[in-house]
Amino acid sequence: GAVVSQHPSRVICKSGTSVKIECRSLDFQATTMFWYRQFPKKSLMLMATSNEGSKATYEQGVEKDKFLINHASLTLSTLTVTSAHPEDSSFYICSARGHDRGPEQYFGPGTRLTVT
Amino acid sequence: AQTVTQSQPEMSVQEAETVTLSCTYDTSESDYYLFWYKQPPSRQMILVIRQEAYKQQNATENRFSVNFQKAAKSFSLKISDSQLGDAAMYFCAYRSLVYGNKLVFGAGTILRVKS
Repeated sequence: GAVVSQHPSRVICKSGTSVKIECRSLDFQATTMFWYRQFPKKSLMLMATSNEGSKATYEQGVEKDKFLINHASLTLSTLTVTSAHPEDSSFYICSARGHDRGPEQYFGPGTRLTVT
Repeated sequence: AQTVTQSQPEMSVQEAETVTLSCTYDTSESDYYLFWYKQPPSRQMILVIRQEAYKQQNATENRFSVNFQKAAKSFSLKISDSQLGDAAMYFCAYRSLVYGNKLVFGAGTILRVKS
């Protein structure tokens, strides 16, 4: 199968600090990676799409300077939440798609971010 | 823009019974993909089933099958012989073939399985 990992699974940070979340495709090359945010019992909200080696495409209303996305290799994308505030507390999920893995997106297990 | 609607916020089913989750979508495209994803309490998103719009035959995966009605823009999921492990939030999702790789998700349906 296609496995996607995320690290860390949980993180607590203080208001004003930055936190980085990693997303890795373990057994395939991810030409495209996606970052989502999910509130409790709600649907996934797409934040941005990133292709390896190019700048991420952000969805309307998502602050690109606050949510920095880097897709430096075909197996790794990172999301950095800069100057985090309590309202950034949420569940962040990444997914990946490989050109040889069909049209599906394969999801990571998610990261619970709590900003105090 | 495409939209996906899941009109059932919650559903319940008795163990071993059959349940159908509804999904409708709106698009002007003729070719696209439709998916059902499952999110159990662990919150790991799991692909349940996929349907290509150009295929008339309904997709099946073991106890999971879909009723794809292209003209009606309907894509329901049937779960047969429900098991306790089927309890989860189920999301219907649409993927355009024209407008990139993005998935458009419905609001989700919480499925409870009673023993």
